[in-house]
Amino acid sequence: DVKVTQSSRYLVKRTGEKVFLECVQDMDHENMFWYRQDPGLGLRLIYFSYDVKMKEKGDIPEGYSVSREKKERFSLILESASTNQTSMYLCASSLGDSAYEQYFGPGTRLTVT
Amino acid sequence: AQKITQTQPGMFVQEKEAVTLDCTYDTSDPSYGLFWYKQPSSGEMIFLIYQGSYDQQNATEGRYSLNFQKARKSANLVISASQLGDSAMYFCAMRSLSTGNQFYFGTGTSLTVIP
Repeated sequence: DVKVTQSSRYLVKRTGEKVFLECVQDMDHENMFWYRQDPGLGLRLIYFSYDVKMKEKGDIPEGYSVSREKKERFSLILESASTNQTSMYLCASSLGDSAYEQYFGPGTRLTVT
Repeated sequence: AQKITQTQPGMFVQEKEAVTLDCTYDTSDPSYGLFWYKQPSSGEMIFLIYQGSYDQQNATEGRYSLNFQKARKSANLVISASQLGDSAMYFCAMRSLSTGNQFYFGTGTSLTVIP
């Protein structure tokens, strides 16, 4: 079975802190994604990566950056956390073809105070 | 532009009854994939079913079936014989060649199964 793991289930950070969210997948998937999920807004794509060191902005990249140094690992970075970044963050991975589904991690609920 | 619309924020269904969750999509691509995911209160996203744009038959997976009407650009999820464990958020998503590797999600439908 595909497994996508995220470094934390719950995280509490202070405004202005630098925050790292880590995601690891074990199925050699080319594509990895970071979403944030907020009530009533569904899943919104922050960034995705289709290969090592490659990244593409999603719909809401402002305030975030990403890093993919190894195929299995995709990190989301909040350079200076703000309260409006309090959210559920979901990582996902998939194969490259449009016929393949995404596999999701368990999510990280981030609270910025 | 790619867009997924789920117009039912919340739905209720009696246990053992069937329920249909609506999803419409917008794309100009001839080749695309449609997906449904379930998200229980625990938060994990669970893949349920896939329909390809060129598939001639509606997809089925156990109690889940996808009512695919290509001309109307709709991909409704049908859950038969609802169970209490079906209570969850359900998301429709689309992926197409023109969007590369991106998935587009709807805003979700919250389903509650009543005993």
